[in-house]
Amino acid sequence: GENVEQHPSTLSVQEGDSAVIKCTYSDSASNYFPWYKQELGKRPQLIIDIRSNVGEKKDQRIAVTLNKTAKHFSLHITETQPEDSAVYFCAAPGDSSYKLIFGSGTRLLVRP
Amino acid sequence: EADIYQTPRYLVIGTGKKITLECSQTMGHDKMYWYQQDPGMELHLIHYSYGVNSTEKGDLSSESTVSRIRTEHFPLTLESARPSHTSQYLCASSAGVSSGNTIYFGEGSWLTVV
Repeated sequence: GENVEQHPSTLSVQEGDSAVIKCTYSDSASNYFPWYKQELGKRPQLIIDIRSNVGEKKDQRIAVTLNKTAKHFSLHITETQPEDSAVYFCAAPGDSSYKLIFGSGTRLLVRP
Repeated sequence: EADIYQTPRYLVIGTGKKITLECSQTMGHDKMYWYQQDPGMELHLIHYSYGVNSTEKGDLSSESTVSRIRTEHFPLTLESARPSHTSQYLCASSAGVSSGNTIYFGEGSWLTVV
C-alpha cells in the first residue's frame, strides 16, 4: 500500500525566514498531493494542493513542488509569520483511490 | 453553508459505556471517513465509506463500528468504551480523491473515557 514519509517532524524558524517541509511517497500511480494546516485545537484545513501534471504551484507565500521521478513533493513557506505556527500534514492517495494517506506531520514554530 | 457537523464535540464517559459519535455532511459528497488523532499527532484512518451501505476498515485497527444508511450521515459507535479509546475523532468527506478532490474535515469529537 501507499506510504507517505514526512520530514522534519519539528521545525523552528525566525519570523521572516523560509520554511520547507518534504514528503516522499511510494505509489508511482499517485496523482494528487494536498497539504493541510492544523492549528492548535482546530480541524486540519487544506492550504494548497498539486496534481501530477504540474511541477509547481504557488499561492501568495506558500508553494508546493512535485518531483514525480523522485517521488517527492515539498511545501515552501516564505516570509513566515507567527500565525504560520501549526502542524502541517502532507498526503497522497491510498491504494483504494478513495482515501488519503497522511504523513506524520511537521510542527512548525515561527519565533517572533 | 456546506460543512461537516460532528456531535458531541466533547464527551467524558465511564468505562464500559456505549457511545455513538454523530457525523453529518451537507457537502453533497459520496465518500466519508473517520480519522483518529491524538493532539497534534498523526491522522489515522479507522473507517471509510464510498457510498450508502458500504463501509470499510481503515489502516488503523479500531474496536469501533460504523454504518452508512444515508448519504449524508456516517455515525461511529463504540459498544464498550475503554480508557485506550480516549482521543479525538475526526469525520471527513470527499467527492473522490482519485479524481483530485480533497478531503474536508469536521471540527472533531474529543472523547475522554475515565
